[in-house]
Amino acid sequence: SQQGEEDPQALSIQEGENATMNCSYKTSINNLQWYRQNSGRGLVHLILIRSNEREKHSGRLRVTLDTSKKSSSLLITASRAADTASYFCATEASGGYNKLIFGAGTRLAVHP
Amino acid sequence: DGGITQSPKYLFRKEGQNVTLSCEQNLNHDAMYWYRQDPGQGLRLIYYSQIVNDFQKGDIAEGYSVSREKKESFPLTVTSAQKNPTAFYLCASSSFAGGKDTQYFGPGTRLTVL
Repeated sequence: SQQGEEDPQALSIQEGENATMNCSYKTSINNLQWYRQNSGRGLVHLILIRSNEREKHSGRLRVTLDTSKKSSSLLITASRAADTASYFCATEASGGYNKLIFGAGTRLAVHP
Repeated sequence: DGGITQSPKYLFRKEGQNVTLSCEQNLNHDAMYWYRQDPGQGLRLIYYSQIVNDFQKGDIAEGYSVSREKKESFPLTVTSAQKNPTAFYLCASSSFAGGKDTQYFGPGTRLTVL
């Protein structure tokens, strides 16, 4: 079963609006990462947040992590049409080799 | 120009054939990974390699094989034993193995079985 699950599955907004995507996971983690994927392309790393961090910023991106609720959110402020993509959270599973487990993603569409 | 490359971009295979997908990186990364992505789905780990001449099965290794003879290269062979190989395949690398590090992805290979 997937460790991370994003919500909503799809999000449609107008340019200039903020977009919020959520990720829930099931077991304890060491860190959580957010990636972006443009249609038919590879993934691009956005932000890594460690389990002892609560909030992290990068440009128009803001990521929060609540380990007590086993959830994270990605906020994109002042969205642009170029932000249209799928966004995935990935968590580091515990036990033996610490691999990344990806959720199914949130498909964001930003309309001009 | 550093990065990770995959070839070909599109690949068509007849049933019963083996095909090999190429993945090369010049980032001097120790760890490399192969993922499979189906439409509307997340990524599932096929195989990973932490170091040259070593690799481990991921979650869905059946019907796939890999080799890691060089640090820069991690080819994936999709064998005829893979029952449903049509998918988008992504290769990634990281400085060291595990989930503590950022993974850098190639552009992907879309495999279609005819």
